[in-house]
Amino acid sequence: GEDVEQSLFLSVREGDSSVINCTYTDSSSTYLYWYKQEPGAGLQLLTYIFSNMDMKQDQRLTVLLNKKDKHLSLRIADTQTGDSAIYFCAESPASGGSYIPTFGRGTSLIVHP
Amino acid sequence: DTAVSQTPKYLVTQMGNDKSIKCEQNLGHDTMYWYKQDSKKFLKIMFSYNNKELIINETVPNRFSPKSPDKAHLNLHINSLELGDSAVYFCASSGIIAGVMETQYFGPGTRLLVL
Repeated sequence: GEDVEQSLFLSVREGDSSVINCTYTDSSSTYLYWYKQEPGAGLQLLTYIFSNMDMKQDQRLTVLLNKKDKHLSLRIADTQTGDSAIYFCAESPASGGSYIPTFGRGTSLIVHP
Repeated sequence: DTAVSQTPKYLVTQMGNDKSIKCEQNLGHDTMYWYKQDSKKFLKIMFSYNNKELIINETVPNRFSPKSPDKAHLNLHINSLELGDSAVYFCASSGIIAGVMETQYFGPGTRLLVL
């Protein structure tokens, strides 16, 4: 099975909050990331969290990590149409020569007026 | 200036042809990667190079041959293209952020369509 799982689609109304969820299996995950992919573009790092943190907030973005349940979430407050994109969760056990992140399949966020 | 650039952005070709995709990064990173993203958006690692040396080669057909002339460039050559090679190919490089944490920077992708 996959090491990182995400639901494929999320639809929200403009102005509402979006919550994108991710679960992972590797208990040695040290770094967890959220990437955003806009249509026709590459992946862009949105935010990240170390495994020794529970929460990280960055403007409209809040990342929550439940290490016990291996669950990561990304909350986008006041979601705008420009937030419509695919959001990838990724995890990596280490940095340096053995660093290769494992990506989920991505969650397509659709924001409608 | 673009941090990770790829050329071409679009590539349409016939089955059986040989083609190359070029990638350059100006971030001074030591490690570069090629990923394949299929039609369902699944992102799969193909190769990883560190300082011009191959360190990861996932189960990729040997029709795919990466070449790293220097640590700022990682090109991908594909021989005898097949229909199933149609996908978006992303180049990436990785470097340290926040002092300790490594993360990847992606190119804009090359959309390959094999007819």
